[in-house]
Amino acid sequence: ETGVTQTPRHLVMGMTNKKSLKCEQHLGHNAMYWYKQSAKKPLELMFVYNFKEQTENNSVPSRFSPECPNSSHLFLHLHTLQPEDSALYLCASSQGSQPQHFGDGTRLSIL
Amino acid sequence: SQQGEEDPQALSIQEGENATMNCSYKTSINNLQWYRQNSGRGLVHLILIRSNEREKHSGRLRVTLDTSKKSSSLLITASRAADTASYFCATGPTTSGTYKYIFGTGTRLKVLA
Repeated sequence: ETGVTQTPRHLVMGMTNKKSLKCEQHLGHNAMYWYKQSAKKPLELMFVYNFKEQTENNSVPSRFSPECPNSSHLFLHLHTLQPEDSALYLCASSQGSQPQHFGDGTRLSIL
Repeated sequence: SQQGEEDPQALSIQEGENATMNCSYKTSINNLQWYRQNSGRGLVHLILIRSNEREKHSGRLRVTLDTSKKSSSLLITASRAADTASYFCATGPTTSGTYKYIFGTGTRLKVLA
């Protein structure tokens, strides 16, 4: 139990579907992150939120839309995804510059 | 440019042996961290070494940092089958004050019983 919970754990969707990934942290951290992990590639930082404000958008396509309603919850809304978007999506949180705590990820498959 | 490139990409050893993984990076850092990822799980933080430190220990883990060579190594002593996982180094946050951590592709370690 890392204190960061991601749902769902697995998601299969078609390219025209709309779905959302959810992340919740119970650690009282101020920063939350979305990462994409593909096989044989470095972990790719997608978005960073600090106290609900987005501080980093790493040139992510607009078909990925993050939402951070409060410091404990982070969403990633998905729309019109491509097959190359199939990957493990990891959420993490941290208190300031302290090490990050990761959830177990959502395994996303695009048909 | 990519930070945190781990070497080797894969490593297979016998239980009880030591495992050494290396990480190279390209720009100035405040600290360097090592994480472990078991199959199908998220990353777990192992150890953090600050830029003004040269060596750090935590249980069976020993991390070194050479800022002149922009490299770090992770040594796992007396390895166990449970150490089988992927290991990543991460640099950050950057001196700009953002929370932008940069990870490498990782080293896949397999410890044979």
